[in-house]
Amino acid sequence: DQQVKQNSPSLSVQEGRISILNCDYTNSMFDYFLWYKKYPAEGPTFLISISSIKDKNEDGRFTVFLNKSAKHLSLHIVPSQPGDSAVYFCAAVKEDSNYQLIWGAGTKLIIKP
Amino acid sequence: DAGVTQSPTHLIKTRGQHVTLRCSPISGHKSVSWYQQVLGQGPQFIFQYYEKEERGRGNFPDRFSARQFPNYSSELNVNALLLGDSALYLCASRRRGQETQYFGPGTRLLVL
Repeated sequence: DQQVKQNSPSLSVQEGRISILNCDYTNSMFDYFLWYKKYPAEGPTFLISISSIKDKNEDGRFTVFLNKSAKHLSLHIVPSQPGDSAVYFCAAVKEDSNYQLIWGAGTKLIIKP
Repeated sequence: DAGVTQSPTHLIKTRGQHVTLRCSPISGHKSVSWYQQVLGQGPQFIFQYYEKEERGRGNFPDRFSARQFPNYSSELNVNALLLGDSALYLCASRRRGQETQYFGPGTRLLVL
């Protein structure tokens, strides 16, 4: 049973425009949600997180929105840059499971020049 | 500060062999977790260690084992390798009470 889902395997966006990556989850008991970026042959790099008690968190060009009633979160990247081309993973944790990360399958973001 | 380090970066083994992967956490991080990532999927949780004790185990067979040392570095051992064990093995460390895990570059294991 997949608790965290990223339904878009890939997304193509023009440089300078907004990239919106989506993630759905089924377990309402998650305490935090995190976004990671991954280049081929490298480990995931942490981007931004959000607590389940908040609905928005911002860090520079990255903003994460959480809609608890819809069990949906999204990562907005504005403006998109060529270096943003990578695979983006959504992950969720529960504090009482020792912060074990539950991952989505990832979305490949391609920024077109 | 140095990030999470893993060794080796790449490894080729044959079926039935044994492998040991190593990880050093970020200084000050006492929690280490191991994940397996196969192509096209998100990472799958294998183990978590905190203060040298196992704090969590994912749905992996007993061929997988791990330990954490007094300096908080960790080893992941896999016995009787199968072709399906070919994957990227990721190590992550975390500071106590914080949700963010920081990952190393991974070890790419190929089983022939």
